[in-house]
Order: sequence, then structure tokens, then C-alpha cells
Amino acid sequence: DAKTTQPPSMDCAEGRAANLPCNHSTISGNEYVYWYRQIHSQGPQYIIHGLKNNETNEMASLIITEDRKSSTLILPHATLRDTAVYYCIVRVAGGAGKSTFGDGTTLTVKP
Amino acid sequence: GAVVSQHPSWVICKSGTSVKIECRSLDFQATTMFWYRQFPKQSLMLMATSNEGSKATYEQGVEKDKFLINHASLTLSTLTVTSAHPEDSSFYICSAQDRGRVLSLHFGNGTRLTVT
Repeated sequence: DAKTTQPPSMDCAEGRAANLPCNHSTISGNEYVYWYRQIHSQGPQYIIHGLKNNETNEMASLIITEDRKSSTLILPHATLRDTAVYYCIVRVAGGAGKSTFGDGTTLTVKP
Repeated sequence: GAVVSQHPSWVICKSGTSVKIECRSLDFQATTMFWYRQFPKQSLMLMATSNEGSKATYEQGVEKDKFLINHASLTLSTLTVTSAHPEDSSFYICSAQDRGRVLSLHFGNGTRLTVT
């Protein structure tokens, strides 16, 4: 699985958009980009995933660059409860796709 | 939505004893489950991949005789930490690949193991 790099930490004001970048320059053509977040002492929570098109769901939007070497997770209106560690991973879909986690980004939403 | 249940959520055991952690997919079948370990302030480290009905594949540096994984059914995988020592104290997390929806990977809420 491809390696990802993310900034170690970011701050965001409550109510503003949080934009979390991820670099995955060695991603393969059959690997998807997934985003999870982890709140202290809990398991990772799925946020969104995509292959090459931008994706949006009720939680967030995912913007993937045309060359697929990087992506950005957007939380449109961050709340205090969005404070967590956010992980970007790339994996092949299906059973063969083990998920290797990088260090993630600690997002702190401030009032 | 899909739910992965881990049990127990926390356990304290004495050094030298064995501890079993269960990972169940509650509303889907999981042909593949993954086991992770997480130390404080660190990321998740993949320990092994378990496929239903076959032997688990362990990551480099993970002792297969110490961390026994059994994936006997499409909804249950177990991790047994044998002869636990204080250095095995950690947060253990499982994830399950939905057999019917190959893009879906769901995580349990983790098990906090403390070995005294």
C-alpha cells in the first residue's frame, strides 16, 4: 500500500471550513483514498473515500487532484466535536487491501 | 450503518496469562479482518490480516505464536495475546472488510489491554 504524508497538526476556528491535505504521490491506479478520524480512545470512524472523482457526503467533501498524488478533506463547518486525529490512507478495494496508517493530522477546532 | 463490535472494551490481566479479544461484524459478512495495535500518541500499526478459514498473515516483526488469530466464521475473528507481559499493554483495534461491499472497511471501538 502506498505511503501517505500529512501535516502533524492543524487548528481551525469553529464554524469555519477545515481543509486537511494529504500527499500520496506513489498511489497506484487501483488504490482508493480513504479518510478516517479517531477521537481519543475510540476506533477510527469512516469519513469518506474516493478513487479519482471528487466526493461529498453528509460529513465531508474529498477533493482529489487530477494526477491523484494528493487530496484534501474538507469539513465545511467545523465544530468542537470534529477535534480528532484524521488519517488519510490509500488501499486497494476488497479483502486484499490492507490499510496502513500514517501519523495523521491532529485537528483542533477552537471556539 | 455497518457495525463492528469488539469485546471486551478493556481488560486488565496479570503477567503470564492469556487474553482473548473478539471482533464481530454485526450486520455484514467479513471475509477479511485486520488487527492493529496502537501505543499512546502513536498511529495504528497493522499487526496481521486474517481471512476466513485460512491462516492469518502477520506483518514483519509481529510474533505469530504470541498473537494468535482465528477467523473461524464470516462474522468473527479473535486475537489471543498469549503469555502477556507489561510491554503488550496497548490499544488493540480490529477492522472488517464487508464481503458484499468491497469498498467498505469498518473499525471496532478497540480494546484497552493492561498487563500488570
